[in-house]
Amino acid sequence: AQRVTQPEKLLSVFKGAPVELKCNYSYSGSPELFWYVQYSRQRLQLLLRHISRESIKGFTADLNKGETSFHLKKPFAQEEDSAMYYCALRGTGGFKTIFGAGTRLFVKA
Amino acid sequence: GAGVSQSPSNKVTEKGKDVELRCDPISGHTALYWYRQSLGQGLEFLIYFQGNSAPDKSGLPSDRFSAERTGGSVSTLTIQRTQQEDSAVYLCASSLAQFRGNTDTQYFGPGTRLTVL
Repeated sequence: AQRVTQPEKLLSVFKGAPVELKCNYSYSGSPELFWYVQYSRQRLQLLLRHISRESIKGFTADLNKGETSFHLKKPFAQEEDSAMYYCALRGTGGFKTIFGAGTRLFVKA
Repeated sequence: GAGVSQSPSNKVTEKGKDVELRCDPISGHTALYWYRQSLGQGLEFLIYFQGNSAPDKSGLPSDRFSAERTGGSVSTLTIQRTQQEDSAVYLCASSLAQFRGNTDTQYFGPGTRLTVL
C-alpha cells in the first residue's frame, strides 16, 4: 500500500539555522515524490519534485530509495519559509497522489 | 489565466443534511482531484478523474460520499447525511495529467470549509 509519513507535526527553528523536514514513504515500485507548500492564506502549491532535481527557494530534496526517504532541506531558514509542508507520492500507472499529514515549519526571528 | 475555483467557500450545515461542493478546474486540464484537509489528518485523497476513464474512488471514506464530473470539466462532490466528522476543508486540484515532466503539476483551489453542526 502507498503511504507517506511525516513524523514531525511541528518544526520550529531560528532564522539562519538549517532545516530538514522528514518524509518517509512506503511503495513497492518507483514512485514520484513531491513537496507541496501552503503559506498562510494562500493555496497549496508545488514546491519541488524529485524528478527535476531542482532547488526552489533554496530548498532541495534527494530521493533515497534505500531508506525510502525524501527529506526536504534548506541550509539557512528564512522567516518567509514559515508554512505547512506536505510530502506527496505518486505511484506508477496512474495519477493518484498520496499526501503525508504535513509538517508546520515555524521560523523564528 | 483563471485558476481552479471552488464554491461555496464556506458551508455550514446541520447533521443529517446533504451538501454539494463544486469545483471548476483549469480549462484543458484532464485530471481532477478531490482531497480532504483536516487537523491531524493532513491531506487525505478522496477521488480523482482522468479524461474519460473510470474515476479512482479508492479514497472515499464511505458510501455517503460521491462525486461526478460532467463533460470532463466541472466536478461536484456530494456528501449525504452529513456527520460532524465530515467537517473539514475540501480541496480540489487539477492537472494536465501528462506522465512525467513538469506538466503534471497539480493546481489547487482555495477549498471549501465545511462545518457540520
